Amino acid sequence: DAGVIQSPRHEVTEMGQEVTLRCKPISGHNSLFWYRQTMMRGLELLIYFNNNVPIDDSGMPEDRFSAKMPNASFSTLKIQPSEPRDSAVYFCASSHAGQGSYEQYFGPGTRLTVT
Amino acid sequence: GQSLEQPSEVTAVEGAIVQINCTYQTSGFYGLSWYQQHDGGAPTFLSYNALDGLEETGRFSSFLSRSDSYGYLLLQELQMKDSASYFCAVSYGDKIIFGKGTRLHILP
Repeated sequence: DAGVIQSPRHEVTEMGQEVTLRCKPISGHNSLFWYRQTMMRGLELLIYFNNNVPIDDSGMPEDRFSAKMPNASFSTLKIQPSEPRDSAVYFCASSHAGQGSYEQYFGPGTRLTVT
Repeated sequence: GQSLEQPSEVTAVEGAIVQINCTYQTSGFYGLSWYQQHDGGAPTFLSYNALDGLEETGRFSSFLSRSDSYGYLLLQELQMKDSASYFCAVSYGDKIIFGKGTRLHILP
């Protein structure tokens, strides 16, 4: 199994630009999570999906952030417009919902830098 | 809301034993998980305690006491490769919430 796949691995963009992060979960996993990690705030849950349906987006910072999961094998996290404070590592993770999601498999992350 | 407290840093000597504590203020959770993250890497799952008591997985053990709102990760026979950050996380069935993590430094 290839594990969770994220792209791009690194993204450098200017303030005001749109950024799209992509994730392919492990085949057969029906829960998908987007996290943001910074030194100051740690690992924050932004949004998660069960069976492609968004369940809880209370962690999404503001309306500039949006996430979609059009099918079981693909999800996107979009930031529009981006701001320097969005600079962070963004992780996608997947799990079997039936296991209580306590064992999640993380992708390698996307390191986003907004200048 | 939820609150998890971990020491920000712990230092230990190679070959020794170290315990990383996690206290929490939350209710209605399913269990406590532990994750390891090396610098520049992604978090990886280590262990899970659904019930009170000790769970052992090789050199790593994890403990949970719901009555004390407390858990810990125990690492034995420390190796240099164990230098990493360790996160406790409470599971709410369909999501988990992570603590801020403990950076483990290992001295030769």
